[in-house]
Amino acid sequence: AQSVTQLGSHVSVSEGALVLLRCNYSSSVPPYLFWYVQYPNQGLQLLLKYTSAATLVKGINGFEAEFKKSETSFHLTKPSAHMSDAAEYFCAVSLVGNQFYFGTGTSLTVIP
Amino acid sequence: NAGVTQTPKFQVLKTGQSMTLQCAQDMNHEYMSWYRQDPGMGLRLIHYSVGAGITDQGEVPNGYNVSRSTTEDFPLRLLSAAPSQTSVYFCASSSYPPNYGYTFGSGTRLTVV
Repeated sequence: AQSVTQLGSHVSVSEGALVLLRCNYSSSVPPYLFWYVQYPNQGLQLLLKYTSAATLVKGINGFEAEFKKSETSFHLTKPSAHMSDAAEYFCAVSLVGNQFYFGTGTSLTVIP
Repeated sequence: NAGVTQTPKFQVLKTGQSMTLQCAQDMNHEYMSWYRQDPGMGLRLIHYSVGAGITDQGEVPNGYNVSRSTTEDFPLRLLSAAPSQTSVYFCASSSYPPNYGYTFGSGTRLTVV
């Protein structure tokens, strides 16, 4: 069973426009949720994480995500896209049993 | 700098050859894991370890072996390389349990011809 689903493998936005990357999880208990970013030919870097504290989580580079239990979602947003935001973004979930599952990734293109 | 170090960064193997991908961390993390990244498939867990002497299989363990003799090191061995193992491999570590996120290495790009 898929534990985390990212809707849209490719997203394009204009520079200065809103960035919205979607992530839904499947878990019967509140999980720990993460967003990672991967720039070309690099490893993954943690953007932000939800660990059952505030539902709105702020991360690096102006990104934030909101945990919505009723929708089992953890969408990533940024009010104004910058060219340097072009990268691959991965949603991940940590479940009971120490397993860490990644989504299939969303490639973000920023159009000048 | 503290972090996860992977070597080599690039490797080309012939089918049937064996090799070891090295991973070392200096953060005293108990939890270490290996992932492979393939286009359109995200990251898939190969093996993981919750401490020295303890390893377990992940989602795609076939063709790979691991051992954890020290807290710092977690090598991944390809027993007999196959073209299907062409991928980018990432090692990651975290405190235990991994509820606060991983630290990733920079990856090893492996091509099997």
